[in-house]
Amino acid sequence: NAGVTQTPKFQVLKTGQSMTLQCAQDMNHEYMSWYRQDPGMGLRLIHYSVGAGITDQGEVPNGYNVSRSTTEDFPLRLLSAAPSQTSVYFCASSSDRGLYGYTFGSGTRLTVV
Amino acid sequence: DQQVKQNSPSLSVQEGRISILNCDYTNSMFDYFLWYKKYPAEGPTFLISISSIKDKNEDGRFTVFLNKSAKHLSLHIVPSQPGDSAVYFCAAFPASGGGADGLTFGKGTHLIIQP
Repeated sequence: NAGVTQTPKFQVLKTGQSMTLQCAQDMNHEYMSWYRQDPGMGLRLIHYSVGAGITDQGEVPNGYNVSRSTTEDFPLRLLSAAPSQTSVYFCASSSDRGLYGYTFGSGTRLTVV
Repeated sequence: DQQVKQNSPSLSVQEGRISILNCDYTNSMFDYFLWYKKYPAEGPTFLISISSIKDKNEDGRFTVFLNKSAKHLSLHIVPSQPGDSAVYFCAAFPASGGGADGLTFGKGTHLIIQP
């Protein structure tokens, strides 16, 4: 099925651990981005990419790294997990900066204890 | 500093009636506006969008109105159906060169359709 695939769906980390949230899309979209959703906060942009090899920071980038070595994949790395990073993470992709809508993955629920 | 504001956390509407969800923005660089619908434990799904050169866009039961001078947009759902019960997010992004290539979201409005 075409779309955006995020893994894992759930993850519990201890403070200080690192991990990578995976995101893959099979629609040949150039634009990809990561968001976090916290209760009462809506979705906030963490990092985004406008094509392979090009990434930039969004509204809340601290504590996260990204890379884009292929068009299909856009992993999000947590360098040293903190309880403040407990959230639901969504990856999204689009062919056109978003005018016709980004396609979102189903999310990764991360808990940092 | 919120650039996209949805001031109603929740809205209850009777089935068959019109649902009107509101959104205000402060960033004059925003040129494109979108509405997303989100069910629990799922990712947001795109509903409808509008460019700032238009004041209305319609798709089936969904119509988005944009008042650029007031920096206000609204989503009308007519008639409202039980499956419309979800959280609705307003989002915006600027034309090229105006900022990050990603969406700025409001906090969402939880729409509840009463039978």
